[in-house]
Amino acid sequence: DAGVIQSPRHEVTEMGQEVTLRCKPISGHDYLFWYRQTMMRGLELLIYFNNNVPIDDSGMPEDRFSAKMPNASFSTLKIQPSEPRDSAVYFCASSLRGATYSNQPQHFGDGTRLSIL
Amino acid sequence: SQQGEEDPQALSIQEGENATMNCSYKTSINNLQWYRQNSGRGLVHLILIRSNEREKHSGRLRVTLDTSKKSSSLLITASRAADTASYFCASYSLSGANSKLTFGKGITLSVRP
Repeated sequence: DAGVIQSPRHEVTEMGQEVTLRCKPISGHDYLFWYRQTMMRGLELLIYFNNNVPIDDSGMPEDRFSAKMPNASFSTLKIQPSEPRDSAVYFCASSLRGATYSNQPQHFGDGTRLSIL
Repeated sequence: SQQGEEDPQALSIQEGENATMNCSYKTSINNLQWYRQNSGRGLVHLILIRSNEREKHSGRLRVTLDTSKKSSSLLITASRAADTASYFCASYSLSGANSKLTFGKGITLSVRP
């Protein structure tokens, strides 16, 4: 089975540019999560979707960040304009539906390593 | 302090030895999960233990949960070089609309051949 697929794997861009990260969750999974990982702050949940609907975006750091899930097989995380402090590894994860998502393991993609110069 | 803090931050052992990693959390939880992350890769789910469980096994992994002490431990027995990775605990706290899985900063395990 294909796992969670993220693209690109690496992105280097200049400050002020728009960045779009992409994610294809595992087929049949109802939940999709976006995380950011840095040495200083560890792994932070940015936003998650249930059945394509954003449920909790309280982790989105600023209005410069936005996320969409137009259908069950695709999601994007966009940063506009990007800043050097946005440099991090961004992970997408998905999980099956349960009574809550909490009792289901999350399946992670291999991440996008983003560097903003 | 963050929910789900691991201890120690780094651990180096010889192949064949057991590795014990600890995790503490602060609020009431529904369950606690352990994940592994190899360098340059995403996290991989290892095991989930519910708040009403005290111990769980999966292959060479043994997880315990002590809700009175708000702590969990992950034991890897007969370690192998391939176990070298970062290990994260993640606690699911019950806080109504803001309930979510919160990860610790991880433990770096090095297993020397």
